[in-house]
Amino acid sequence: SQWGEENLQALSIQEGEDVTMNCSYKTYTTVVQWYRQKSGKGPAQLILIRSNEREKRSGRLRATLDTSSQSSSLSITGTLATDTAVYFCATIPHNTNTGKLTFGDGTVLTVKP
Amino acid sequence: DMKVTQMPRYLIKRMGENVLLECGQDMSHETMYWYRQDPGLGLQLIYISYDVDSNSEGDIPKGYRVSRKKREHFSLILDSAKTNQTSVYFCASSLRSYEQYFGPGTRLTVL
Repeated sequence: SQWGEENLQALSIQEGEDVTMNCSYKTYTTVVQWYRQKSGKGPAQLILIRSNEREKRSGRLRATLDTSSQSSSLSITGTLATDTAVYFCATIPHNTNTGKLTFGDGTVLTVKP
Repeated sequence: DMKVTQMPRYLIKRMGENVLLECGQDMSHETMYWYRQDPGLGLQLIYISYDVDSNSEGDIPKGYRVSRKKREHFSLILDSAKTNQTSVYFCASSLRSYEQYFGPGTRLTVL
């Protein structure tokens, strides 16, 4: 799993497999965002999940959020080689309006064709 | 088409030289950000700007300053660059605190 003080995580799988990436955070939040960064590009938001949703789906993506354990997960079903990227979770501490997102260190996902 | 642009994309400077990184966005977003990204360290927030001339330090502001004179432009300045400022710099913008739109990055090398 990833968070700010953890080293970058790496996963390598075969195309077609499913994968789940985990994220734990230290400061209570009601919103977790997941970003994907492909090589040589800036990060792009994939999915945003709020605490009242617990689970959210978007295409092959599924995000969960458990505020009691302060953790979130992102699952990708039927991975493609084009899913190869670094995946970050990001949060804004609850009851702050600074707009400052805190990013995890990321999970490097390699999907082999 | 929502877009964040960064110039230049690649830059090589000598230690002690001044560096200017430019960022533009066409979404009229109020909030803009500068991050740096080093291998294995994720994204670190340098500065955040809430609007024109309304800037706030992020987590690692030392050695950097910013300028925002128009809502659509946000500049990052390194006065007398240091070798440890070699990094990839990303600019981002957002309408509210949630989704941030990132530029393609500037790879800066300080020799």
